Amino acid sequence: DTEVTQTPKHLVMGMTNKKSLKCEQHMGHRAMYWYKQKAKKPPELMFVYSYEKLSINESVPSRFSPECPNSSLLNLHLHALQPEDSALYLCASSQDPGPNFYEQYFGPGTRLTVT
Amino acid sequence: AQSVTQLDSQVPVFEEAPVELRCNYSSSVSVYLFWYVQYPNQGLQLLLKYLSGSTLVKGINGFEAEFNKSQTSFHLRKPSVHISDTAEYFCAVIPTGANNLFFGTGTRLTVIP
Repeated sequence: DTEVTQTPKHLVMGMTNKKSLKCEQHMGHRAMYWYKQKAKKPPELMFVYSYEKLSINESVPSRFSPECPNSSLLNLHLHALQPEDSALYLCASSQDPGPNFYEQYFGPGTRLTVT
Repeated sequence: AQSVTQLDSQVPVFEEAPVELRCNYSSSVSVYLFWYVQYPNQGLQLLLKYLSGSTLVKGINGFEAEFNKSQTSFHLRKPSVHISDTAEYFCAVIPTGANNLFFGTGTRLTVIP
């Protein structure tokens, strides 16, 4: 099973709402990632978790709050977002970084619209 | 620091014609190289990767790419494209010692019937 699943597929939220995006993988991967992709742009890295610990935060605003409750799950909590945060949010996972394991598997994404 | 350049933002090509999507990179360390495809409204799918060994890499859906260290290039090729190959293609690198992907700006391949 090389699948990364993400829920929901689509999300519309107001600027005062609190919502969460969920990502799950059952490949035994120990690194998980959140990317943000605006229309017609490449994905931009937001966060990296390695062994359930946050290892990279690419200066993401605090209205985005990641959480890794266990090795299979990755959440992204959203609060007080702005319309410019509307984008496709992609989750990915990979075997913990080492000399042989760099392949990242991506989920289908959550299309977020902030109104 | 590293960067990935995909000079062609859009490539239209007729069905069954060959195609080459260009990718050049710069990095102060060795890199691993990847091509991803993104179909409309979907996530990214790995087409192929170069980690080490033979510089000609074959991937899924009939695509292949050749790593050229002297020209710091990793161009993607397919000898005969299908309508279903219409998608966005991203070249990406991971510098050795890092664990995050750096993407190029993407090339939109449109296959014309």
